Amino acid sequence: GQQLNQSPQSMFIQEGEDVSMNCTSSSIFNTWLWYKQDPGEGPVLLIALYKAGELTSNGRLTAQFGITRKDSFLNISASIPSDVGIYFCAGQQFSGSARQLTFGSGTQLTVLP
Amino acid sequence: DAGVIQSPRHEVTEMGQEVTLRCKPISGHNSLFWYRQTMMRGLELLIYFNNNVPIDDSGMPEDRFSAKMPNASFSTLKIQPSEPRDSAVYFCASSWDRSKVLFFGSGTQLSVL
Repeated sequence: GQQLNQSPQSMFIQEGEDVSMNCTSSSIFNTWLWYKQDPGEGPVLLIALYKAGELTSNGRLTAQFGITRKDSFLNISASIPSDVGIYFCAGQQFSGSARQLTFGSGTQLTVLP
Repeated sequence: DAGVIQSPRHEVTEMGQEVTLRCKPISGHNSLFWYRQTMMRGLELLIYFNNNVPIDDSGMPEDRFSAKMPNASFSTLKIQPSEPRDSAVYFCASSWDRSKVLFFGSGTQLSVL
C-alpha cells in the first residue's frame, strides 16, 4: 500500500511553545486528514483538507494541504497540557470513500509544564 | 449524539480461547471498518463493510479472524483461536459512504496470555 512518512515520531515541548509536524508521500493525495488520539481512546478528527494549498484552522490548530499534494503539516500554537497525545495524518489518493485512507505512523506529543 | 460504541473496552484471555469484539456504528452511517493498532505496525485496516456487505477483507491476517455485520447497527470481529500475537487495540470506525472522514470508537484493548 501507499506509505505516509510522518515526522517527527515524538516531541517533548514546554507548555506555551508552538508545535509543528508533517506528513509526506511520494504519491499525490486528494484529501488530507489530521486526527488526535488521547490515551485509551480512539482517534478523533481535528482538521480535514480537500484542496491543494488549503489552509484551515481549528482554534489553536492550523493545517495546510501542500501545493504539490504530496504533503501536509499541522501546527499547534501555544501548547497546553491537554494537547498531549498521538497525532495522525491520513491521506486519500482517489476521490471516493474513507476506505482508501492511509494513516501515518503518528507523532507522540508530550507537553511539559 | 452517540458515537461509535465498542465493547468490551478491555479483554484479557488465554491463548486458544475465542474472542468476540462488538461494534455499534453511528446511526445513518453505511460504512464500517475494523482496524488493529500496535506499536510496531500502527493502524492497520482489517476489513471494510459497505451496506452490511464485506467489501475488502484483504487486511484480515489469518483464517482465525472473521467479521460479520448482520445489520446496519451491529458488527462483530471474532478471533478463534486467539494467540498472544493478537494482542493489540482493535478499533471500529464508521462513515457515510460519500464521506472521506472516519469516526472511531474508543477501542478494545485485547491481551492474549
